[in-house]
Amino acid sequence: DAMVIQNPRYQVTQFGKPVTLSCSQTLNHNVMYWYQQKSSQAPKLLFHYYDKDFNNEADTPDNFQSRRPNTSFCFLDIRSPGLGDAAMYLCATSDPRAPGGIDTQYFGPGTRLTVL
Amino acid sequence: SQKIEQNSEALNIQEGKTATLTCNYTNYSPAYLQWYRQDPGRGPVFLLLIRENEKEKRKERLKVTFDTTLKQSLFHITASQPADSATYLCALQNSGGYQKVTFGIGTKLQVIP
Repeated sequence: DAMVIQNPRYQVTQFGKPVTLSCSQTLNHNVMYWYQQKSSQAPKLLFHYYDKDFNNEADTPDNFQSRRPNTSFCFLDIRSPGLGDAAMYLCATSDPRAPGGIDTQYFGPGTRLTVL
Repeated sequence: SQKIEQNSEALNIQEGKTATLTCNYTNYSPAYLQWYRQDPGRGPVFLLLIRENEKEKRKERLKVTFDTTLKQSLFHITASQPADSATYLCALQNSGGYQKVTFGIGTKLQVIP
């Protein structure tokens, strides 16, 4: 089945120690997103790639970076994680080229990040 | 500023009844409004989409209405079941070229057997 895969599902890191979360998709969608979701909050968009074009949200801290080496893979790098970065990180894809330009989001299962 | 409001308090209903969840928004001109289901510790799953020129959309036991004058969408689950217990998020996408999707905080639904 076509899907969005995130690894690892759970990640523990130490304060200030760089961490990379990965996302892959078999949907061949051209847009990939990274969201941060804290408990009982809405998913917060960090950035997205429209094909190779990187789009950063204005309030995304510089501590967060992303790479998309090809259509299928996207990575979230947190350069110096702080305690406030503990959250669920969700990867999603969409294909606005679909009929009607509908931007339905397909989410992965998420990576739960713990910062010690 | 743009705002999406969903009742952050949990909604408890009896099995078999119709659950109605509300999504209100301000300072948006959405082209689409979407509803997602999110289970604990999982990513959201798309349920239904309704366009700005549509009043109502149905899918099995689900019904969504969209009132652009009231700036409100209602999400109904008829004949609710305990398996419907989850958090339901509404999401808006503005019209005009490519616009990002913005999510509400979600409403937690608990269906009591």
